[in-house]
Amino acid sequence: EAGVTQFPSHSVIEKGQTVTLRCDPISGHDNLYWYRRVMGKEIKFLLHFVKESKQDESGMPNNRFLAERTGGTYSTLKVQPAELEDSGVYFCASSLRAGRAPRGNEQFFGPGTRLTVL
Amino acid sequence: AQSVTQLDSQVPVFEEAPVELRCNYSSSVSVYLFWYVQYPNQGLQLLLKYLSGSTLVKGINGFEAEFNKSQTSFHLRKPSVHISDTAEYFCAVTLLSGSARQLTFGSGTQLTVLP
Repeated sequence: EAGVTQFPSHSVIEKGQTVTLRCDPISGHDNLYWYRRVMGKEIKFLLHFVKESKQDESGMPNNRFLAERTGGTYSTLKVQPAELEDSGVYFCASSLRAGRAPRGNEQFFGPGTRLTVL
Repeated sequence: AQSVTQLDSQVPVFEEAPVELRCNYSSSVSVYLFWYVQYPNQGLQLLLKYLSGSTLVKGINGFEAEFNKSQTSFHLRKPSVHISDTAEYFCAVTLLSGSARQLTFGSGTQLTVLP
């Protein structure tokens, strides 16, 4: 079974440009999460989808970030315009619905996208 | 709100020596506890988790962790490390109930196993 995949693995852009990150969750996983790790600090939650709906977007830093999950499958995270402080590693994770995950809603992570804003 | 503290950012240890990576958490409600590992150029992989029951939890690759409710700790241990254990280790919590399902992570501990 394929795991969570993310594209691209690396992206280098200039300040003011737009970047779109993509995440393909494990097939059948309704929950999809975005996290970010900046400058070796802790990994921080950005937002959570249940199918195509945003369940919780309390971690989104500002309105330059836009996440979508059309059709409840893959998700995109767009940063427009990018700023220097957006540099970091963006992780995506997926999990089964809580009601079908008695083992504590385990989240499966992708390898991350390393974003560098110059 | 909950928080996680990993007290050591870097832990160097010689091969075949024991290791303990420390994790303390703070939360006003009950939480589930996790340890994830990130090998170079890979995603985070679940090592082990504590949901309920026995406070000593065994995970993959010979790791184990003990939940201590009074000390709000969930330290990770391995009796004898290998070179291949070199990686970054993250402690994380999630709420036991309610709608929020995201993980709250510590800042990570880089374990380096020396020959």
